[in-house]
Amino acid sequence: EIVLTQSPGTLSLSPGERATLSCRASQSVSSHYLAWYQHKPGQAPRLLIYGASNRATGIPDRFSGSGSGTDFTLTISRLEPEDFAVYFCQQYGSSIFTFGPGTKVDIK
Amino acid sequence: EVQLVESGGGLVKPGGSLRLSCAASGFTFSTAWMSWVRQAPGKGLEWVGLFTGKTDGGATDYAAPVEGRFTISRDDSQNTLHLQMNSLTTADTAVYYCATVNPDWMLFNYWGPGTLVTVSS
Repeated sequence: EIVLTQSPGTLSLSPGERATLSCRASQSVSSHYLAWYQHKPGQAPRLLIYGASNRATGIPDRFSGSGSGTDFTLTISRLEPEDFAVYFCQQYGSSIFTFGPGTKVDIK
Repeated sequence: EVQLVESGGGLVKPGGSLRLSCAASGFTFSTAWMSWVRQAPGKGLEWVGLFTGKTDGGATDYAAPVEGRFTISRDDSQNTLHLQMNSLTTADTAVYYCATVNPDWMLFNYWGPGTLVTVSS
């Protein structure tokens, strides 16, 4: 089973700042099957990025994804107040879906 | 607009059973791939299982920790997904989310708000 780790665990930033979130896999992951989600307390998670670098429908262009192999990155170019949340990466391989533990982006 | 609403969560004793439901609307449910994902308190998300759409054979697949104890079913006439959970343990305590699966990208494109299952004596 591929294990995803995310860093940092918590990122404390101010609105307007740039956020860079890392997702690292224990073995190579197909970029086609790497996704990112945003999750706010009490709400349904929201798909942000699919195929490592494609924005989902309705996702603002301040969100971008990159990476390949074992290292993937989610970047939020300028944080808006509504962006403070937990972000998860997810991969599919060998008939199993796995998620990273999440990075919490909170207000500094 | 896609809507998924889970129900059926609650408190159950270890060894007990519970059945969750997910009411779906806003898309063609019968051909949709559906999944359950859970999140234990203070932990990350964990995939539970999958039910493919009718036109893809209507097959199920489960994560190892729940295989043999949990069963996913669907009622396409009622646009409802179910999760039958048996032999529950405290490790099954979690918020359970229903989600649609995009089979081309193998991701979860729409989610419900979740329902809390607490397994405790």
